[in-house]
Amino acid sequence: SAVISQKPSRDICQRGTSLTIQCQVDSQVTMMFWYRQQPGQSLTLIATANQGSEATYESGFVIDKFPISRPNLTFSTLTVSNMSPEDSSIYLCSVEETANTEAFFGQGTRLTVV
Amino acid sequence: KQEVTQIPAALSVPEGENLVLNCSFTDSAIYNLQWFRQDPGKGLTSLLLIQSSQREQTSGRLNASLDKSSGRSTLYIAASQPGDSATYLCAVLGGGADGLTFGKGTHLIIQP
Repeated sequence: SAVISQKPSRDICQRGTSLTIQCQVDSQVTMMFWYRQQPGQSLTLIATANQGSEATYESGFVIDKFPISRPNLTFSTLTVSNMSPEDSSIYLCSVEETANTEAFFGQGTRLTVV
Repeated sequence: KQEVTQIPAALSVPEGENLVLNCSFTDSAIYNLQWFRQDPGKGLTSLLLIQSSQREQTSGRLNASLDKSSGRSTLYIAASQPGDSATYLCAVLGGGADGLTFGKGTHLIIQP
């Protein structure tokens, strides 16, 4: 199974600032995803990170707020821009080694916006 | 739109009991179903993956079944232990959605 390293593990940020979260995988994977878990809620897909092209965003999520990069098959970043307290959540990176196979998750980034 | 429901939302049982967690989904056109465990403040640990063509999967004390036509899955935990205390999440891949669609989870407490 893929081993996923996500950084930072947690952060406290001021409103109006931006935070970039990194996701590094120990092997090449086809699919990379970013999820959000709001307090007391389950996970919601933000976007699919596409290697070499723009990410595919789910309804309710936009590129200006959540820009995503995926320069290669082992690395992706998610930026949370112009943060507000409503962005306080756990953000998780997920990978599938090939499409439609078992999904693995990083340990998540716990973000608090004050 | 795919929707996933988990019952019960919370469960507290004495150590040693066998228990069943339930998951249902609305769109049966899925690729697979996955059960995860989430400990407080942590990421997700994959427990079992059932492909759409399979009926069940087993790992140690865990057994998951899938009835795709009726849109149901169960996770059976045998001889529960305090270390099994966690939130258990059911997620499906497919059914018109990209990525996984998650249920809200079952918060499980095993009393010593």
